[in-house]
Order: sequence, then structure tokens, then C-alpha cells
Amino acid sequence: DTAVSQTPKYLVTQMGNDKSIKCEQNLGHDTMYWYKQDSKKFLKIMFSYNNKELIINETVPNRFSPKSPDKAHLNLHINSLELGDSAVYFCASSQGGPGELFFGEGSRLTVL
Amino acid sequence: LAKTTQPISMDSYEGQEVNITCSHNNIATNDYITWYQQFPSQGPRFIIQGYKTKVTNEVASLFIPADRKSSTLSLPRVSLSDTAVYYCLVGDRGSGNTPLVFGKGTRLSVIA
Repeated sequence: DTAVSQTPKYLVTQMGNDKSIKCEQNLGHDTMYWYKQDSKKFLKIMFSYNNKELIINETVPNRFSPKSPDKAHLNLHINSLELGDSAVYFCASSQGGPGELFFGEGSRLTVL
Repeated sequence: LAKTTQPISMDSYEGQEVNITCSHNNIATNDYITWYQQFPSQGPRFIIQGYKTKVTNEVASLFIPADRKSSTLSLPRVSLSDTAVYYCLVGDRGSGNTPLVFGKGTRLSVIA
């Protein structure tokens, strides 16, 4: 059983398109996150949700909209994709605060 | 958030003990120190977490001096499969409002 699963694993799309990445965790955690890892391998927090409520929204363009239908899912929707959005997006979860983060395998987004 | 500083890269031969030191001069009273390991094309994986003195698990040891301004991750007898990027993070374990911030990490290369 995969603890934190993301789909799709790879996504190639054209500039201007809208795409979504889905994340599900079966650990019973109440906090979920989205991180972005760029080509230089810097891993940056984007969003944090606790019990379906947005807790953290770092400096991220409003083209990025997270949605949490329930505490086991946190999806990321990206509008009007730009070249600079190309990166690997990681979903993670933790119980309560970020004591121990469990990461998914990542979704590699390539914008052409 | 306490900022961390760690070496960009390290090389080691198989079978040696590897010590990676992380500086976190402005660590707060409630902050814990957490280390993650990331292999290429995978999400980071929790290795160990501590608050003070020494913590040991089946994978590594974490040494934290009394002033807690630094910490050292110790990997005993590394193998080729330990080649990865190691991240040192500092943060309040109990607060979902304060996400763990990943630094640049230390790229460990284990040589046969």
C-alpha cells in the first residue's frame, strides 16, 4: 500500500493549458502539503492544509489553486501554465504539525 | 524559522562512517531537528529527528550539542546505496502553521 500517492507521475503539456495533480494519503494524517522542487533541486513549500482548511499559502501565483475535498486528499490545479512552472511537485502529509513528513513520489510537470 | 547551513557536497568510500554537520544558530526553544534523505526521482524520506543530546535508530545517529546550534547526522558504514541528498531541517514539530523549510541539502556521493 502506497502511503502518499500522486497522479500523474509525469505530465507534459503546452503553455497556457490548465492541469491538475491529485494526491491521496491513506495514513490518516490531518495535514497535507504541496512542495515544488525546481531544476536546481530546491524544495519549497507551496501550501499546507490541516483538516481541509488552508493553513499556509506561501508566495505562489494565484494560478495555483489547491483543493482539499476531504482530509485524505489534496489536489493541485494550475491555470495558464507557464514555462517556469516546469518542476517536480511533491505532495506530503503529517499528523498534526510537520513532525515527520511522508512524501509522495512526485509529479514531474514539463511545460513546453 | 531557523535557517540551516550544511555542506553542499561530500564524498566517502564504502564502509566508512559519514558525518554531516548542520548549523542552525537561531534555533528556537520549541524547534526539533529533522533529517531527510532524497534519492533521485523520489520524494524525501524521513531519517531521524531529535531535540537534544543523541538519538539513534536503525539507520543513523543524530548528535546535538547542549547549545543546539548545530547537529551532526552520522551514517555508519555507508554503502553505494546511501548516495543521496541529505536535508537538515529545523522547526516546531507541533505546529501545522509552520512548515518545515528545506535548505539546499548535502549531496553525499559514496564511492566504491
